[in-house]
Amino acid sequence: GAVVSQHPSWVICKSGTSVKIECRSLDFQATTMFWYRQFPKQSLMLMATSNEGSKATYEQGVEKDKFLINHASLTLSTLTVTSAHPEDSSFYICSARPFTDTQYFGPGTRLTVL
Amino acid sequence: DAKTTQPPSMDCAEGRAANLPCNHSTISGNEYVYWYRQIHSQGPQYIIHGLKNNETNEMASLIITEDRKSSTLILPHATLRDTAVYYCIVASNFGNEKLTFGTGTRLTIIP
Repeated sequence: GAVVSQHPSWVICKSGTSVKIECRSLDFQATTMFWYRQFPKQSLMLMATSNEGSKATYEQGVEKDKFLINHASLTLSTLTVTSAHPEDSSFYICSARPFTDTQYFGPGTRLTVL
Repeated sequence: DAKTTQPPSMDCAEGRAANLPCNHSTISGNEYVYWYRQIHSQGPQYIIHGLKNNETNEMASLIITEDRKSSTLILPHATLRDTAVYYCIVASNFGNEKLTFGTGTRLTIIP
């Protein structure tokens, strides 16, 4: 199967700072990538759909100015959590989809905001 | 996306076949049945998917009923490493189709 990586695996930051998470498709090109968030003991919730060369589409209730998504190339999408607060602490997971194939998920990034 | 219904939890003895059911009675004609699993603190792992025919790969088998309203994921010889939350999702195969995760089934393999 296709491989998706994320960096960093975990990050701890102070409240008010911004954090950038990278999602890369290693062996395929992905015109579409997805960003999910998962709180403890809950299921994955889709945050936004990232399309290469265009603006991301955010799910209802997700602040686009707080969660900045940039899909700059066919193998890289980034999620920046701006002015992070403790309630933003979560497990962030990306997925990428080769055209007409299934979605493959990254290993996730655990964000802790102090 | 059509909704799916799965039992919240199941146990299975190590070495036995694990059969995980999923109901998707409102599935539409162009929607596939996808199965993923998530081991604690990891990203979801793709297992298998199918449209209407039964499918088998190195990980599992997928049995879809003729009316497509339900399916069963079969792990033929469960091991302790198969302990995870298993998600059944229905979605089309279009490039930008999003996956909607339900609560899944927490499968525990018992030694």
